Amino acid sequence: QKEVEQNSGPLSVPEGAIASLNCTYSDRGSQSFFWYRQYSGKSPELIMSIYSNGDKEDGRFTAQLNKASQYVSLLIRDSQPSDSATYLCAVKRGSARQLTFGSGTQLTVLP
Amino acid sequence: ETGVTQSPTHLIKTRGQQVTLRCSSQSGHNTVSWYQQALGQGPQFIFQYYREEENGRGNFPPRFSGLQFPNYSSELNVNALELDDSALYLCASSSTGASDYGYTFGSGTRLTVV
Repeated sequence: QKEVEQNSGPLSVPEGAIASLNCTYSDRGSQSFFWYRQYSGKSPELIMSIYSNGDKEDGRFTAQLNKASQYVSLLIRDSQPSDSATYLCAVKRGSARQLTFGSGTQLTVLP
Repeated sequence: ETGVTQSPTHLIKTRGQQVTLRCSSQSGHNTVSWYQQALGQGPQFIFQYYREEENGRGNFPPRFSGLQFPNYSSELNVNALELDDSALYLCASSSTGASDYGYTFGSGTRLTVV
C-alpha cells in the first residue's frame, strides 16, 4: 500500500463545474496536509494547507480533511481552463522532516 | 524578498558521470530540502540540510550527497549517474528545521541521463 494514494486520472470537467480531487493516506501520525498544483514542465506550487478536521476555504478552493477516514480532498469551484494541471497531495507526520507526496491527479478543464 | 533559485535549469549527462545541482535558499531560510520527481510521479524526499548538517534522509543511495554552505545555499551531488536518475530535481527552503507550513519549491533542474 502506498503511503499517499491519489487517482491518477485524467479527470475531465467542463468549465464552470466543480472538480473534486481525492487523496487517502496510510500513516495515522500524519498531522499536516497540503495540496500542490503542478503545471506541465513546472515545479509544484503550494495552493492549500489543512491541519484540522473539516473544511478550509480559500477563494475557489476548498480543502476537506477527515482524519478518522484518513482522507483529504480538494474541491475547485467554477473550474477554469487555467486550472488544468496535475494536483499533488502531500502529508507530513508531526516528527518528520519531509513531505510524502502522492503521484498526483491530472485535471483537465474543458472550455 | 527573493525566492528559491536553482541552477542549471536543464542538464544532460552520460551514464556514469557525476553532476552537481545548486540551490539558493529564500532570504531568511536556514533549511534546504531536496526532492527527486520522476516523470508521472510525485516528488520523493532525498535529504534535508539544516545549519550545514544533514538533518534527515530519504531512501536514496550514498551516491546522492549534499552540502549546505554558511549562506544556507546548497548543492546536490550525484555520482555514477544511472539512467533512472533522469528526473526533475526540486529544492525547497524553509525557516525552521521542519516543514509544518509546506514548502515553496524552486523552479527545479531537469536532469537527463543518456
